[in-house]
Amino acid sequence: GEDVEQSLFLSVREGDSSVINCTYTDSSSTYLYWYKQEPGAGLQLLTYIFSNMDMKQDQRLTVLLNKKDKHLSLRIADTQTGDSAIYFCAKDNAGNMLTFGGGTRLMVKP
Amino acid sequence: EPEVTQTPSHQVTQMGQEVILRCVPISNHLYFYWYRQILGQKVEFLVSFYNNEISEKSEIFDDQFSVERPDGSNFTLKIRSTKLEDSAMYFCASSEARQNTGELFFGEGSRLTVL
Repeated sequence: GEDVEQSLFLSVREGDSSVINCTYTDSSSTYLYWYKQEPGAGLQLLTYIFSNMDMKQDQRLTVLLNKKDKHLSLRIADTQTGDSAIYFCAKDNAGNMLTFGGGTRLMVKP
Repeated sequence: EPEVTQTPSHQVTQMGQEVILRCVPISNHLYFYWYRQILGQKVEFLVSFYNNEISEKSEIFDDQFSVERPDGSNFTLKIRSTKLEDSAMYFCASSEARQNTGELFFGEGSRLTVL
């Protein structure tokens, strides 16, 4: 079945860029997503990319999609302590049935 | 900004008891979903619901589970005879459309602890 994988943990210094990576096995998706989960909170949609795009930029966030390698990344520029959270990549199947990765915990050190 | 709200935020129950988790989707949304996240594991799709019936369900969503839209605003997940392994965070979500438009909004979750 479909598998979406992420590294577990990333630590960066405040002001640096963060790059969170995600790989997947099934390329039949329309959209790929990045969600943020802060402690005790729900899943906040950060950004998404249509599968026929290679890149999407939204303020400090840059999403790169390499369909050949089945690789999705999220770059956060000028990372702040408030960016500390768990970041989930997800891809759609039919009808908004999302398959999630396991989440990457981003720790931002002052 | 419109949001999906869920109650209760945390429920503790004894094994074998019935639990109802409630959700109020965003008011103009037509499609509703439940996902769950067992501690330390991935977020998993349970069920989608449209026009008062289930659209899709995963293999997790067995006869123990049911969903209902009892009125114009609430969307509920009922778990009959809870088991220890039902302990998880349950997320409700809603969207305007079924086709993947990138706009799936999640609530903050209901944590269920089965003792």
